[in-house]
Amino acid sequence: DVKVTQSSRYLVKRTGEKVFLECVQDMDHENMFWYRQDPGLGLRLIYFSYDVKMKEKGDIPEGYSVSREKKERFSLILESASTNQTSMYLCASSLFTGGYQPQHFGDGTRLSIL
Amino acid sequence: SQQGEEDPQALSIQEGENATMNCSYKTSINNLQWYRQNSGRGLVHLILIRSNEREKHSGRLRVTLDTSKKSSSLLITASRAADTASYFCATDLIQGAQKLVFGQGTRLTINP
Repeated sequence: DVKVTQSSRYLVKRTGEKVFLECVQDMDHENMFWYRQDPGLGLRLIYFSYDVKMKEKGDIPEGYSVSREKKERFSLILESASTNQTSMYLCASSLFTGGYQPQHFGDGTRLSIL
Repeated sequence: SQQGEEDPQALSIQEGENATMNCSYKTSINNLQWYRQNSGRGLVHLILIRSNEREKHSGRLRVTLDTSKKSSSLLITASRAADTASYFCATDLIQGAQKLVFGQGTRLTINP
């Protein structure tokens, strides 16, 4: 089974801090994704990556950056955390096959910015 | 804007009954997928239906797709308390290159 591991289940940080959320997958998937999930808004795509050192903006990239130095690891960075970034963050991965592949999710990081 | 819209937003039924959730979308798709999320956990893939398919089954799950109406439904038969979760549809857009666009989900509660 594919395992997607997010480094923290719960995280509390202060406004203005630089925050790193880490995600590792163990199935050699090319695609990796970061979403945030908020009540009433569903899942929204922040950034995604098709390959090492490659990244593309999703629907809500403002205030975030990402890093993918190794195939198995995709990091989400909050450059200067703000209270409106308090949310559940979900990482996912999938095979690069031209479509028709499910995404595999981690258990999420519930991030609170105080 | 969200591509998929689930209906209803919340559904509460008795154990043993069937549960039906609907999803509508706006633009052409490669495939449509359904996911389940237990409280406080990540999403788990349930079933994928391609744009050229009309119906698909997996255990107690039945998914239909009507591309002319841009809609899909997920039927869970003989529901169990363990089916309590949120269910999301996700569309793989033709021009989306493997990105999925998720709906807001249906919160399903199965009462024992």
